Amino acid sequence: QVQLVESGGGVVQPGGSLRLSCAASGFTFSNYGMHWVRQAPGKGLEWVAFIRYDGSNKYYADSVKGRFTISRDNSKNTLYLQMNSLRAEDTAVYYCAKGVVVAATDGTRYMDVWGKGTTVTVSS
Amino acid sequence: QSALTQPASVSGSPGQSITISCTGTSSDVAGYNYVSWYQQHPGKAPKLMIYDVSNRPSGVSNRFSGSKSGNTASLTISGLQAEDEADYYCSSYTSSSTLVVFGGGTKLTVL
Repeated sequence: QVQLVESGGGVVQPGGSLRLSCAASGFTFSNYGMHWVRQAPGKGLEWVAFIRYDGSNKYYADSVKGRFTISRDNSKNTLYLQMNSLRAEDTAVYYCAKGVVVAATDGTRYMDVWGKGTTVTVSS
Repeated sequence: QSALTQPASVSGSPGQSITISCTGTSSDVAGYNYVSWYQQHPGKAPKLMIYDVSNRPSGVSNRFSGSKSGNTASLTISGLQAEDEADYYCSSYTSSSTLVVFGGGTKLTVL
């Protein structure tokens, strides 16, 4: 079945780094753009980053621009999020999600498959 | 502050209908027919319930319906059931560089 499984979360000190992974199965990963979305404790959903199906275009929320890097390896059906210079406000559950987008703009129509999430805690 | 505005909470009794609103701008909700709705139970991942304003993915109950008028989209749940108690988020395509915007979420309580 169609599935996304995140991993790599954990506890890290402020200023530290972490790399999240998202393993995809059950669909042709290389045909779809992918998102990272996060949810801070008790808060709503916040879009973090998007990468086009072929990795050619990447987009970031202002809150993570310059600190986070999204990437993908289509040969491994895996999405990544490299997180550097982590702050307390980055503490959240991080979800990867399969995006259905408008091809001309990469704007997202909807996210139809979500992983269960991986928890990142930034604390000293 | 979220880009799309939703009520913080709504409630209804079993069997009743409720509607959750989602207000945006001409750059998102009003400008495109790409509004989606997600259901999230505590500790679980979001689940797509409505896409492209009013379409239901396979497997989603027909008690869930979506609509849009101007800059406000709506999610209606009819015949409320206890299992519908959850948080609901709207989302929209946006012409900005963020690609997608979310609402702040609405907590649905089934009384």
